[in-house]
Amino acid sequence: DAKTTQPNSMESNEEEPVHLPCNHSTISGTDYIHWYRQLPSQGPEYVIHGLTSNVNNRMASLAIAEDRKSSTLILHRATLRDAAVYYCILRDREGGSEKLVFGKGTKLTVNP
Amino acid sequence: DGGITQSPKYLFRKEGQNVTLSCEQNLNHDAMYWYRQDPGQGLRLIYYSQIVNDFQKGDIAEGYSVSREKKESFPLTVTSAQKNPTAFYLCATGLSSGGPNEQFFGPGTRLTVL
Repeated sequence: DAKTTQPNSMESNEEEPVHLPCNHSTISGTDYIHWYRQLPSQGPEYVIHGLTSNVNNRMASLAIAEDRKSSTLILHRATLRDAAVYYCILRDREGGSEKLVFGKGTKLTVNP
Repeated sequence: DGGITQSPKYLFRKEGQNVTLSCEQNLNHDAMYWYRQDPGQGLRLIYYSQIVNDFQKGDIAEGYSVSREKKESFPLTVTSAQKNPTAFYLCATGLSSGGPNEQFFGPGTRLTVL
C-alpha cells in the first residue's frame, strides 16, 4: 500500500487559513489523493480528492505538487467546526477493491 | 432521508459471546465496507463487499465474519475468536468502480467487551 506522512497535530486560529501538508513519495501514476476528516466520535467524511491538478470545492482546496509526491489541504478560513482529524489517503486500486488505507492523520485544533 | 444506519451506537457484551453489528444503507451503493478504529489510530479494513453474495477479507479479518444477502445490508459478526474486540466499528459504502469515488461512512458502533 502506498504510504502517506502527515504531522501528528497542527493548531490554527479561527478565521485564519490552514495548510495541512501530506507527503506521499511512493505514489503511483494512477493513485488518486483523497482527504477525509473525522470529528470526535463520528465516522469520517469526505473532504476533497484530486489526481494531478489543484482542486477546489465548497469545503476546501487541494494543492498537488507537480511531481505528485506531496499535497496540501487548504482550509481558507478555519472555524471551530473544522477541528477534527484530517486524513490524507491514496486510493488503493489493487484488485479493484478501492479500499482506503488510513494513517493516523493530523489532529487540527482551532483556537477561538 | 438517504444515508447509512448503524445500530446500536453503543454495545456492551461479555467476553466469549458473539455479537452482530448492523449496517443498512439506502444510497443504492454496490460496495460496502467494515472498518475498525482503536483509540488514537486510523481506520483498518476488516471486510468489504463489492456486490451482493460476494465479499473479501480486508487487513484484519481474523475473528470476524460478514454476509451480504441484500444490497442494502452488510452485517458484521464479532466472534469469540477475536482476541481484542473492544473498538469503534465503522461501516462505509461507495460506488464499486472508479478510483476517484468517495466512500460514505455511517455514525459507527462503539463495542465494549467486558
